[in-house]
Amino acid sequence: AQSVTQLDSHVSVSEGTPVLLRCNYSSSYSPSLFWYVQHPNKGLQLLLKYTSAATLVKGINGFEAEFKKSETSFHLTKPSAHMSDAAEYFCVVSGGVTGGGADGLTFGKGTHLIIQP
Amino acid sequence: GAGVSQSPSNKVTEKGKDVELRCDPISGHTALYWYRQSLGQGLEFLIYFQGNSAPDKSGLPSDRFSAERTGGSVSTLTIQRTQQEDSAVYLCASSHWDSPEETDTQYFGPGTRLTVL
Repeated sequence: AQSVTQLDSHVSVSEGTPVLLRCNYSSSYSPSLFWYVQHPNKGLQLLLKYTSAATLVKGINGFEAEFKKSETSFHLTKPSAHMSDAAEYFCVVSGGVTGGGADGLTFGKGTHLIIQP
Repeated sequence: GAGVSQSPSNKVTEKGKDVELRCDPISGHTALYWYRQSLGQGLEFLIYFQGNSAPDKSGLPSDRFSAERTGGSVSTLTIQRTQQEDSAVYLCASSHWDSPEETDTQYFGPGTRLTVL
């Protein structure tokens, strides 16, 4: 069984300041972990993916995430927020055993990122 | 290249009517997934197709929901006798199982917003 907990339902930061979106996971296997972003009235876009090659993963638009097995965390960060980053962010875990399959994909509840001018 | 496409983008229907939602996956992707996104439930997995294999229907919420995939490509999600609680955004995703690096990375379409009056 696997689960994902996004610790904040809403995060508000000022433009130009750092962003931290927190995610903890639980998985019986060596998981693949993802962050997806969803802008208003848009589909889900893949930001980045961890598959055990490196613990620090760089994604698009300046985002990165660090996999910490000891803390079962996969927090998303960005050094400087931009207005266009305002969106809903989802942390996702895949079972990784079968290499795919929707039964191995579990979504967090989402974190709404608000950027203050 | 072209991403996952879905049609219609919006659908308004009356309670009790049947609706069909269409998904066109990324060319060459063998796996196709349907999800439902609603305010109260977040992102829920509905059904999964891998190639020509029988679909995994474990996530379908009731027997009013069905899906098919013709020729291993386009998929249709059908909801019979729609109810107001079926109102949600229905998302389709596809993934490429032939690539070990991409087996569990899902690429999402823009979704179909269904409103049942």
